[in-house]
Order: sequence, then structure tokens, then C-alpha cells
Amino acid sequence: EVQLVESGGGLVQPGRSLKLSCVASGFTFNNYWMTWIRQAPGKGLEWVASITNTGGSTYYPDSVKGRFTISRDNAKSTLYLQMNSLRSEDTATYYCTRDGQPFDYCGQGVMVTVSS
Amino acid sequence: IQLTQSPSLLSASVGDRVTLSCKGSQNINNYLAWYQQKLGEAPKLLIYKTNSLQTGIPSRFSGSGSGTDYTLTISSLHSEDLATYYCYQYNNGWTFGGGTKLELK
Repeated sequence: EVQLVESGGGLVQPGRSLKLSCVASGFTFNNYWMTWIRQAPGKGLEWVASITNTGGSTYYPDSVKGRFTISRDNAKSTLYLQMNSLRSEDTATYYCTRDGQPFDYCGQGVMVTVSS
Repeated sequence: IQLTQSPSLLSASVGDRVTLSCKGSQNINNYLAWYQQKLGEAPKLLIYKTNSLQTGIPSRFSGSGSGTDYTLTISSLHSEDLATYYCYQYNNGWTFGGGTKLELK
């Protein structure tokens, strides 16, 4: 059974940093791209970042480019999202997804609140 | 690529045939997926590559379309289908539509 378990969310002040983790199990992690998506309270879904199966390439929308970094440790079957210079508009539930183009499994999500 | 879903809110009755629309700002080349999201839950993949049904999804869900215009159809609405539906393109970058909320009439 595919499982994706996110952690690392919480309340953070604007301008500060936070790092999310996602531990994967139930599939061969290094065979898949992985993607983070997010959902602001009461809003729609937004693609946040993607990484190839080897970690050799990463992709971001303009809204987070230069502030967020996606990475992975295939030996630990773990995906990360380093979020710097956080803004109030980054407040959202962040979901880790297995990306088989398109993504086919999501974690339960982790809440990030950016507020002073 | 921008995706526009219509309508944003759809009221329907159990047993109705329901059609949701998704229009791209450019050709999506059939790299279009549909997700269902129930309140408080993660999105669930229903359809990929325009019309391929994800494993475990009931056959009352179907997808169609080409070019810039795509459709999700529920042949006979069940009460458990009440949710918000998102289209998602993965042809050129990755983009979600704004969603269609499906509610009971």
C-alpha cells in the first residue's frame, strides 16, 4: 500500500523558514518523480514543486521560485520542501504526492501557517 | 497554460447525468487529469490522459475531449460524488483549474 506521510508544518512568522518532510513507503521511491501541491484555506489547488526520480532536475512556479527548494533522499525514501522567506500567502495545507504524470497518490497533508 | 473550469458551482440531484467542463488557454494534447476532493480530504485521481479511468474508480465517471476543451461526465450522480472537482494539465508545466463544486439540489 502506497503511503505518504508529511511532517514539519506549523506556525511561522513572515520572512522565516520551514522545512517539510514526506516519508514514502509501499512503492519503489527512486522510480518516481515527486511533487508538492498546496491548498490555501477555502481555495483551490496549486502546484508548488516537482523533482525528477534521480533528483537531477527540479521545477517551480513563479510564485515560489527562488524561495522554495524541493529535494529528496532516495536512500531514506524521503522528500523535502525547504521554504524560505515565507509570506502570508504561503499559508496552506501542503500535500506530498507521488507523481506518475499525473500524480496518483497524496499524503494527508500538513498545515503551514505564516503569521506574526 | 491556464485552465478555466465551468461552472464553478453545480447543483444536481441524485441520479442526474452531470457534465463538468475544463478549457485550456493552449492545446493540452490530452495530458489532462481530473481529481475529486471531498471536504477535509486529499485530492483523489479519477481520470488521466483525458479518458483513462484510474484503478478503483467507478465506471460512472468518464472523461473526454481534445485540444483545449475537456469534459468530466458522471453518468448517474451518487450522493457520495458530492465534492469539488479539479482538472489538471501536465502537458506544459503543471496547472490546476479553479474547481467545480458539486452540490445537491
